[in-house]
Amino acid sequence: GAVVSQHPSRVICKSGTSVKIECRSLDFQATTMFWYRQFPKKSLMLMATSNEGSKATYEQGVEKDKFLINHASLTLSTLTVTSAHPEDSSFYICSARDKARALYEQFFGPGTRLTVL
Amino acid sequence: QQQVKQSPQSLIVQKGGISIINCAYENTAFDYFPWYQQFPGKGPALLIAIRPDVSEKKEGRFTISFNKSAKQFSLHIMDSQPGDSATYFCAAFSQAGTALIFGKGTTLSVSS
Repeated sequence: GAVVSQHPSRVICKSGTSVKIECRSLDFQATTMFWYRQFPKKSLMLMATSNEGSKATYEQGVEKDKFLINHASLTLSTLTVTSAHPEDSSFYICSARDKARALYEQFFGPGTRLTVL
Repeated sequence: QQQVKQSPQSLIVQKGGISIINCAYENTAFDYFPWYQQFPGKGPALLIAIRPDVSEKKEGRFTISFNKSAKQFSLHIMDSQPGDSATYFCAAFSQAGTALIFGKGTTLSVSS
């Protein structure tokens, strides 16, 4: 149980285009989902926290107009990278908190590799 | 401000040896300390976790040692295997917070 999927697993896009990444909790309801960014050989950097049905809370330094997060249901959150540029190339990982479990339990998705040309 | 400090940054261990990764934290409100294992191109996976009311937790070859007074905790991997080669992250969580706070990670290489 507690499986989180991400789609796509990897995406290549041209500079200036927008890319949407989906994060789904497959077998549980996720009241909260988190989006992380990870650079090569670096730690996970929390970008934003999203709660179902409400606006996402962004970490300091993260451009909310560039990284649009939507958490429209208890099983789906999306991250849209708008007007992507090469510096947005990174590994994006989501995690989800199970409504029925302890607050500290987070389940991570497999990640999405974004490459902007 | 880095709230969870992890060391070493990288570690090379012979097959069959013991791998030890250390973490230190500052916020005494933290009450849950997990370790995650991440393989290249994959998301982190929970390996083992501990609450501050115990000093040690063991699951198979993996053991967490926790020192509340020193605000330190460590991961010990016994009989390290090449398949253990991965990046390991310690983390901390407080009920007052919303997200896990991660250390910077340790890249472990187990040589055969």
